[in-house]
Amino acid sequence: TQLLEQSPQFLSIQEGENLTVYCNSSSVFSSLQWYRQEPGEGPVLLVTVVTGGEVKKLKRLTFQFGDARKDSSLHITAAQPGDTGLYLCAGAAGGTSYGKLTFGQGTILTVHP
Amino acid sequence: GAVVSQHPSRVICKSGTSVKIECRSLDFQATTMFWYRQFPKQSLMLMATSNEGSKATYEQGVEKDKFLINHASLTLSTLTVTSAHPEDSSFYICSASRATDTQYFGPGTRLTVL
Repeated sequence: TQLLEQSPQFLSIQEGENLTVYCNSSSVFSSLQWYRQEPGEGPVLLVTVVTGGEVKKLKRLTFQFGDARKDSSLHITAAQPGDTGLYLCAGAAGGTSYGKLTFGQGTILTVHP
Repeated sequence: GAVVSQHPSRVICKSGTSVKIECRSLDFQATTMFWYRQFPKQSLMLMATSNEGSKATYEQGVEKDKFLINHASLTLSTLTVTSAHPEDSSFYICSASRATDTQYFGPGTRLTVL
């Protein structure tokens, strides 16, 4: 069974601060997705990382996939209240797993104005 | 592209009745659809995986006779909660993928069983 440990579970910061969310596993993933979810809505895909060591940027968000494809991080620069939400990382095992994702526990981010 | 819809968005039902939730991929053909359950402020819990035309694969601990999944076409999957009870109240989310690892999620359905 693959596990994906996501931390921190809760993050409460002031507008303008930087933050990093981590996802770690002892398993190798073929790809890793990051999603953001707002209350009462479904998760929205932010990015998919596939190659070990890959770095992707989405405006103020920077996503990194570990060299060994076992871990990933999400860094937000100068957080804004609109960044508030539940952030989820999810890893795909590939192979015969038929696209099943292993989800992290989630990080509830609150950015105060 | 990659839009997934769910219907209804909210449903309230009496204990003992059955409720059907539809999941549609609007602009792509989904080789696989997934059904999740989510409790407040928690991550997603996979219930089952379904491929068009074949029986769904349920995760351990999920009662297949209670949560009936039908995947009739490449764009439609349904989840029926049979004989619903208050403990089945939850947020149900579907997702769809098109032969890649990336899943696209629907907006979710809030089920409340009285």
